Amino acid sequence: SAVISQKPSRDICQRGTSLTIQCQVDSQVTMMFWYRQQPGQSLTLIATANQGSEATYESGFVIDKFPISRPNLTFSTLTVSNMSPEDSSIYLCSVDWGSYGYTFGSGTRLTVV
Amino acid sequence: GDSVTQMEGPVTLSEEAFLTINCTYTATGYPSLFWYVQYPGEGLQLLLKATKADDKGSNKGFEATYRKETTSFHLEKGSVQVSDSAVYFCALSAGASGNTPLVFGKGTRLSVIA
Repeated sequence: SAVISQKPSRDICQRGTSLTIQCQVDSQVTMMFWYRQQPGQSLTLIATANQGSEATYESGFVIDKFPISRPNLTFSTLTVSNMSPEDSSIYLCSVDWGSYGYTFGSGTRLTVV
Repeated sequence: GDSVTQMEGPVTLSEEAFLTINCTYTATGYPSLFWYVQYPGEGLQLLLKATKADDKGSNKGFEATYRKETTSFHLEKGSVQVSDSAVYFCALSAGASGNTPLVFGKGTRLSVIA
């Protein structure tokens, strides 16, 4: 199955700033998925990133707040822009690895102060 | 749209007790069904999965059977251990392989006491 390297693993950021999260996959994949897990909550899909086209965002998430890049088939970034304390969450990337199921990055624990 | 409903937690059990965590789903077509586990401070791990009706997924003593007639995928374990304490997520994928994200239930926190 795919191995995903996600970084940073955690960060503490000042409100109003931005943080870029990176995910590197050890194999080529068509789609990458970005999720948010708010404290004590389940995972909510932010967007789907397809190489060569703009990401598709779920209701409640907008490109200006969560811009995504997908420059090639093994890499993607998610930026959390103009952060507020409400953005404090764990952010995860994921890929579908067919019969092996979905693989997740280890997550980025973001705290906004 | 597609959705997953799982029993509310937290669930607290004594070691060696029987575990059931209920999960039902709503989806068009024939989704694949998954259970993921998140141990304290760790990332998500695939526990088991089933891709068609009547399939049984199993791993580490956990089992779940894909029941199309009741749209359910309940997680069971005959004898839980303290090390099973974690949050368990039921999830589904309703589209083509590789192109469709998972839809998660709210998660059920399990605490096993010695």
